[in-house]
Amino acid sequence: GAVVSQHPSWVICKSGTSVKIECRSLDFQATTMFWYRQFPKQSLMLMATSNEGSKATYEQGVEKDKFLINHASLTLSTLTVTSAHPEDSSFYICSATASRGNTGELFFGEGSRLTVL
Amino acid sequence: AQRVTQPEKLLSVFKGAPVELKCNYSYSGSPELFWYVQYSRQRLQLLLRHISRESIKGFTADLNKGETSFHLKKPFAQEEDSAMYYCALTGTASKLTFGTGTRLQVTL
Repeated sequence: GAVVSQHPSWVICKSGTSVKIECRSLDFQATTMFWYRQFPKQSLMLMATSNEGSKATYEQGVEKDKFLINHASLTLSTLTVTSAHPEDSSFYICSATASRGNTGELFFGEGSRLTVL
Repeated sequence: AQRVTQPEKLLSVFKGAPVELKCNYSYSGSPELFWYVQYSRQRLQLLLRHISRESIKGFTADLNKGETSFHLKKPFAQEEDSAMYYCALTGTASKLTFGTGTRLQVTL
């Protein structure tokens, strides 16, 4: 199957700094990528949907200035957590599909664990 | 609003016993339902989708619109089935909503 890779797998940063997480589709062109957040023992919560070349669509309650998403190419999307605080500590997962919207199969990255001190 | 409910956080069964992971959904239109699986130390992957009507690794799931359910079943559990299972739904808004997941533990 298709492969989606996230980097870094884990990151620890100081409060107030910004952290960038990359999501790459390695063997297919991802027209749509999704970013999820998962708290311990909870479900995946969709944060935003990004289509290549256009602005991301954020879910209600997700601060777009806090979580900057860029999908500049068909194989790369980035999530930047700006001015991170301890409450931003979480597991961030991206997924990608070759189809527009959510109608195609989703392929997931391995996730990135962010810890903000 | 669309919502997916998985009432069991943990389901423990013996090897060879039947398995049923429950999933109920709430959606006013015609949803598309999925089961995703996450094995230990691996990423989430699609197990099956209701429109395919296929059996994957011995698992099947039937969409019951009357009961708004999409339970995952397997007649005989295997050790390698131990994993986290997520039921998910996508509607016309094209948003994939996940349930909270059920951990299946198959013991000898």
